[in-house]
Parts: sequence; structure tokens; C-alpha cells
Amino acid sequence: QKEVEQNSGPLSVPEGAIASLNCTYSDRVSQSFFWYRQYSGKSPELIMSIYSNGDKEDGRFTAQLNKASQYVSLLIRDSQPSDSATYLCAVNNAGGTSYGKLTFGQGTILTVHP
Amino acid sequence: DAGITQSPRHKVTETGTPVTLRCHQTENHRYMYWYRQDPGHGLRLIHYSYGVKDTDKGEVSDGYSVSRSKTEDFLLTLESATSSQTSVYFCAISESVVAGGRRETQYFGPGTRLLVL
Repeated sequence: QKEVEQNSGPLSVPEGAIASLNCTYSDRVSQSFFWYRQYSGKSPELIMSIYSNGDKEDGRFTAQLNKASQYVSLLIRDSQPSDSATYLCAVNNAGGTSYGKLTFGQGTILTVHP
Repeated sequence: DAGITQSPRHKVTETGTPVTLRCHQTENHRYMYWYRQDPGHGLRLIHYSYGVKDTDKGEVSDGYSVSRSKTEDFLLTLESATSSQTSVYFCAISESVVAGGRRETQYFGPGTRLLVL
């Protein structure tokens, strides 16, 4: 089983719709969770971080974390063509002396069509 | 790119040739990381550094070495490049890690595309 798994995609949604991206992780002691967006040919850029169970909202983005189910998701409301990118889920390997090492999922390609 | 530069940005080399990639930061962050990104594998950690002269291996460290003699520079060396090391290499930095591993948000450099023929 992969440590961090994302829905395989690609995901295609119409402009204005809600895009839902999902991620599961295997290490129960993981404490920090991140969503990165990566445009083709560019480097990953952080869009959301979440540490506690529940929802965290930032503009059109909402991250949801359920540690009991080992599940983290990203919702993008009012999707725009500029949201078309690969979305990477990243999980802190473990607490304590992990030195911030992250494990990334494979990424989900999102396409928002006009 | 959060004050991170990578050089070179593109490189073509031949099998068996040594290659060094440089990551330079102006943020004075303590932690630095090297990743490679390949289709079907996502981002994988090669090596990381938690301070000057303090480095450790990631999940795909075979064939790679690193050095960090200054806070701002983290070098990745392929001692004898192989075709399997053709990839996009990203450097990342993070400011701090507090107890429990939190606040380790990583910021990425622009990447280096390496082709080994």
C-alpha cells in the first residue's frame, strides 16, 4: 500500500462547479497535511496546510481533515480554468525528529473547462 | 519561488559523467531538501539537510550525494550519471520544525531538468 494515495484522475469539472480532490494516508502518527498546486512545467506551490480535524477555509479553497479515517480532501469552489493543474497531497512522515520530511501522493490532474 | 534559485535550470549530460546541481536560498532557512519528480512516481525525497554539514538520506538516495557548507547552498551530486537519473530535480526549503514536526511548510525552487544520454 502506498503511503499517500490520491484519487487517480484526471478530474474534469465545468467552470463554476466544485472540484473535490481526495487523499488517504497510511501512517497514523502523521500530523501535518498539505496541498500543493503544480502547473505544467512549474514547481509546486503551497495552497493549503491543515493540522487539526475539521475544515479549514481560505478563499475558494477548503481543506478537510479526518485523522480517524486517515483522510484529507481539498474542495475548490467556483472552479476556474486557471485552477487547471496537478494537485499534490503531502503528509508529514511522522512526528518528533522527522525534520519535516514529507511524503507526496502521485497527484491528481484537474481540468476546469469553460 | 520564496528566494530559492537552482542552477543549472537545464542540463544534458552523458552516462558516467559527474553532475552537480546547486540550490541557493536567500531566506536563511535551516532545512533544505532535494527531490526528484518522475511520471508515475510523484515527488520523492533524495536527501535533506537540517543544518550546515548536517545531512541525511531520503527514500531514493542511491547514486546521489549532497553537501552543505553554508546555510544558503545545498549541492546535489550525481557521481556517475545514469539514464535512470533523468528527471526533474526540485530543491525545497523550510523555516522551522517545532515539536511534533509541525510548521514544516516547504517552499520549492524552480527545478532543474536533467537529461542523461
